[in-house]
Amino acid sequence: AQSVTQLGSHVSVSEGALVLLRCNYSSSVPPYLFWYVQYPNQGLQLLLKYTSAATLVKGINGFEAEFKKSETSFHLTKPSAHMSDAAEYFCAVSPHNTDKLIFGTGTRLQVFP
Amino acid sequence: NAGVTQTPKFQVLKTGQSMTLQCAQDMNHEYMSWYRQDPGMGLRLIHYSVGAGITDQGEVPNGYNVSRSTTEDFPLRLLSAAPSQTSVYFCASSPPGTANTGELFFGEGSRLTVL
Repeated sequence: AQSVTQLGSHVSVSEGALVLLRCNYSSSVPPYLFWYVQYPNQGLQLLLKYTSAATLVKGINGFEAEFKKSETSFHLTKPSAHMSDAAEYFCAVSPHNTDKLIFGTGTRLQVFP
Repeated sequence: NAGVTQTPKFQVLKTGQSMTLQCAQDMNHEYMSWYRQDPGMGLRLIHYSVGAGITDQGEVPNGYNVSRSTTEDFPLRLLSAAPSQTSVYFCASSPPGTANTGELFFGEGSRLTVL
């Protein structure tokens, strides 16, 4: 079964530092890939998605992710962290020709002043 | 436009009790789904529906029932609650034509505790 693995359940950065959240997928055929963000006591909202068009995908709030087939990765980055970025981030995969979205275990991002 | 609405937001049950978590969306979304979120395990798909009258199982369907009699509503039923079902439950829906591209709109969640 296709899945995603998020390396690091917690990531801490200083305000203004680079944010890098890692996600690797397992699939012989590149699936659709997503990053979602969850703020405290809220539901998830879509940050960005990869659906086999451009490999560098830009999302909301200055985040972007690059699809690398050779590394089976879809890491999320932001050049400069802001305090408001503190949240939990989920990578997710939607295998082709299915109606399911499979989530990773999540990475909690802390931003220190 | 309310989006995806879940009720109740909080619920405490005793083992063996039954209850229904309600989910309604007003966006004419064909695809609806239920997830549970547990610490360290991310979100796991319980059941989903691609349209009225059609439901299917996800990763963790045992102990839960669903039905989809209308496009708007997708209730999740616990027939005999167990402590292992203590979790936060999220309902999510997807616009027409995007069911297989994973663009989900989430409700705010229902926190269930089973004693």
